[in-house]
Amino acid sequence: AQTVTQSQPEMSVQEAETVTLSCTYDTSESDYYLFWYKQPPSRQMILVIRQEAYKQQNATENRFSVNFQKAAKSFSLKISDSQLGDAAMYFCAYRSRGGADGLTFGKGTHLIIQP
Amino acid sequence: NAGVTQTPKFRILKIGQSMTLQCTQDMNHNYMYWYRQDPGMGLKLIYYSVGAGITDKGEVPNGYNVSRSTTEDFPLRLELAAPSQTSVYFCASSYQETEAFFGQGTRLTVV
Repeated sequence: AQTVTQSQPEMSVQEAETVTLSCTYDTSESDYYLFWYKQPPSRQMILVIRQEAYKQQNATENRFSVNFQKAAKSFSLKISDSQLGDAAMYFCAYRSRGGADGLTFGKGTHLIIQP
Repeated sequence: NAGVTQTPKFRILKIGQSMTLQCTQDMNHNYMYWYRQDPGMGLKLIYYSVGAGITDKGEVPNGYNVSRSTTEDFPLRLELAAPSQTSVYFCASSYQETEAFFGQGTRLTVV
């Protein structure tokens, strides 16, 4: 079974600065998807970014980018120019390609933005 | 386009009562899921379905049942509610093994 580990229960960053959230995973598969989800206080789970394991290029979505290191099984999220609206829980998630049984989530990182 | 809709948003149950959490999606996704989220934890899979008439157990299925009679609907039934089922429940859907889209969650308290 796959496992996802987020080793930072909480992170704090000054507004406009850059922060990196860490995620490692364990799998014996070679093809899979990785995701970062954001959960603000509203509780809604919002997809931030996705990475397909067969793609070497790191995914980028505006101020959000990932550092995907397949050999190290590492998938970190970088948030540039942090904004107050970025304050939320961030969850890293893994999904097998061809797997019907959904995503495996880490325990999350609580991101605090200091004004 | 409503996406994934869950009802109710909040509910308090007494121990031993039963209830059904409703979930419907209008994206014509074939895969649907139920997760629970406990404080300080990520989401854990309760049940999933790959299409109408097909359901399967996830990581934490005990105390729950599901059915999938249509592509759109995937209700979760709690029988004989217990305090351990106090949690936030999320329904989600996806087009096969791509990213999942989530409902807004149901906060359930069993007292």
